Parts: sequence; structure tokens; C-alpha cells
Amino acid sequence: DAGVTQSPTHLIKTRGQQVTLRCSPISGHKSVSWYQQVLGQGPQFIFQYYEKEERGRGNFPDRFSARQFPNYSSELNVNALLLGDSALYLCASSPGALNQPQHFGDGTRLSIL
Amino acid sequence: DAKTTQPNSMESNEEEPVHLPCNHSTISGTDYIHWYRQLPSQGPEYVIHGLTSNVNNRMASLAIAEDRKSSTLILHRATLRDAAVYYCILRGLNSGGSNYKLTFGKGTLLTVNP
Repeated sequence: DAGVTQSPTHLIKTRGQQVTLRCSPISGHKSVSWYQQVLGQGPQFIFQYYEKEERGRGNFPDRFSARQFPNYSSELNVNALLLGDSALYLCASSPGALNQPQHFGDGTRLSIL
Repeated sequence: DAKTTQPNSMESNEEEPVHLPCNHSTISGTDYIHWYRQLPSQGPEYVIHGLTSNVNNRMASLAIAEDRKSSTLILHRATLRDAAVYYCILRGLNSGGSNYKLTFGKGTLLTVNP
């Protein structure tokens, strides 16, 4: 079975631009979470979606938004990019929303110039 | 969120057992102990989790202290592929609080020598 897939794998943007990152969860998984990982740090939670509804939000500005589609895939949008948004963005899926192991993709490396 | 404390780094030799410690003195009764690892250039990978009893799976064993204030991830025979950052994370049982997310610290960087 295919794991969590993310696209694109790498992306270069300039300050002020907008970016959309995509995630396809493992088949049958209804929950998708997004994390940001800055170099040298552990991943930081951004959002969780379950059954197309936002179930949790981390301490990130409103420039960050996400949505989940009927097929359970998800998009993360970041507006007005800042240099500090340069990071690895990770998507994780799990069967449900609660205390179940999360399965991660290999992320999208976003670089802001 | 309840916090965990792990050593910044550890070193092991190939084919020897590795014991990765984690302290979580403020753990609550409903917190599960989860372990994930992150290999270079990859996303985190689930390893194992437990509540009170020791747990075994094909990847590792988890030994939980009787008072639950500490735990140890055991890799029985380290291989070069086990070189990674290992994260110890607490997750609550209830639907509120930190249940829906993983709160990562800096983890332990495990180096495996050939």
C-alpha cells in the first residue's frame, strides 16, 4: 500500500508570495495533520483535520490555512511568505482523530529567498 | 502538555543493544508514551507506544517504569539503519488537550558505529 505522499518535494519561493502544499493520506485514513520542521528542531504542529473539519490548530499565524477534501487529501496554504517560513513541511495521516499512531510523508522542503 | 526529557545524543555499536531513556515526571494517568524516529531526509516514523505495561513489536521494545515517570526504548540489535533522531512523546487519552497532536522535543540523536 502507498504511504503518505506529499507534493512537491522541493519548492523555492520569494518573500511575499503564496504557496500551496499537497498531501494524500494512506488509503482509509480520515485524519490529516500538518507539521513544520525548522532545521535542527523537532516538528511543530500546525493543523489537524478529520472528516473535513479542523480539529486542532497550533500556534501559527493566520497566514497559515488548510483544508481537507472529500477524498481526505489535504492542502496547506501559506500567504505572504517570510524568510522564517523556510522549513520542511510534513503531513501525517491516521485512521481517526484521536490517540492513534500517525504516519508521516517525507515532506516538502520550502525555501524562501 | 506534559514534558519529556531525553539525552541530546547517544552512541552505539552495530549489533549491540541500545537503551534510549526518557524522563516524564509530570505524566498523567491517561498519557500514553509514544516513540517516533526520524531518519535523515525522511519524515518521522512511528516506533512503538504503551501506557503501563512493557510493549514489544518487530522494531523495538518499550520498558515503562512502575511509577511511569520514565521509560526506555530498547533496540535489541542496532544496525546502521537505526541511526536516527528518536523522539519520546506523551499523548493524552481524552479527546481534549494534546491528544490530537504530537508535541516533539529535540529528541536523541543516535549514532551507530560499524
